[in-house]
Amino acid sequence: GAVVSQHPSWVICKSGTSVKIECRSLDFQATTMFWYRQFPKQSLMLMATSNEGSKATYEQGVEKDKFLINHASLTLSTLTVTSAHPEDSSFYICSASRGLGGALGETQYFGPGTRLLVL
Amino acid sequence: GQQLNQSPQSMFIQEGEDVSMNCTSSSIFNTWLWYKQDPGEGPVLLIALYKAGELTSNGRLTAQFGITRKDSFLNISASIPSDVGIYFCAGQSDSGGSNYKLTFGKGTLLTVNP
Repeated sequence: GAVVSQHPSWVICKSGTSVKIECRSLDFQATTMFWYRQFPKQSLMLMATSNEGSKATYEQGVEKDKFLINHASLTLSTLTVTSAHPEDSSFYICSASRGLGGALGETQYFGPGTRLLVL
Repeated sequence: GQQLNQSPQSMFIQEGEDVSMNCTSSSIFNTWLWYKQDPGEGPVLLIALYKAGELTSNGRLTAQFGITRKDSFLNISASIPSDVGIYFCAGQSDSGGSNYKLTFGKGTLLTVNP
């Protein structure tokens, strides 16, 4: 149990276009989903936290108008990279937890990641 | 923000050897977790620690939550080739309101020579 999927697994796009990445919890209801970005040989950096039905909470330095997050249901969250540029190329990973707000001790289950390459 | 210092950055060992890696922080965490990430994949949870001083095992893996709540270590005994990957520590803390976010260490790249 506790499987999280992401789609697509990889995407190549032209600079200036927008890209949508989906994160789904397949066998549980995810009250909270998290979006991370990981550059090559770097650690995971939290971008934002989203609770179902609420606006996402963004980490300092992450542009909310550029990285649009929608968590419309308990099993789906989407991240849209608007007007993507080469510096947005990265590995984007989502995670999901059952508890509200990623409660203390609540396990985060990670998706397999989406590799984005912006040309 | 909070930072985790994870060491070593990389390790090259022979199959059968034991491995130890650790994380330290200047601030307290409520929960410590250890993840393994294979290339091109998301992290997979190995061990979660919830109490200061807690020592937990998962097969050949053993991890401890430091008494000061500012550190944790992970040991892998009798390493095998499939242990290859990047190991991340992560601390969970209160980010305000009801959100508890994870802060990740920089990772330890483990290579096991058969």
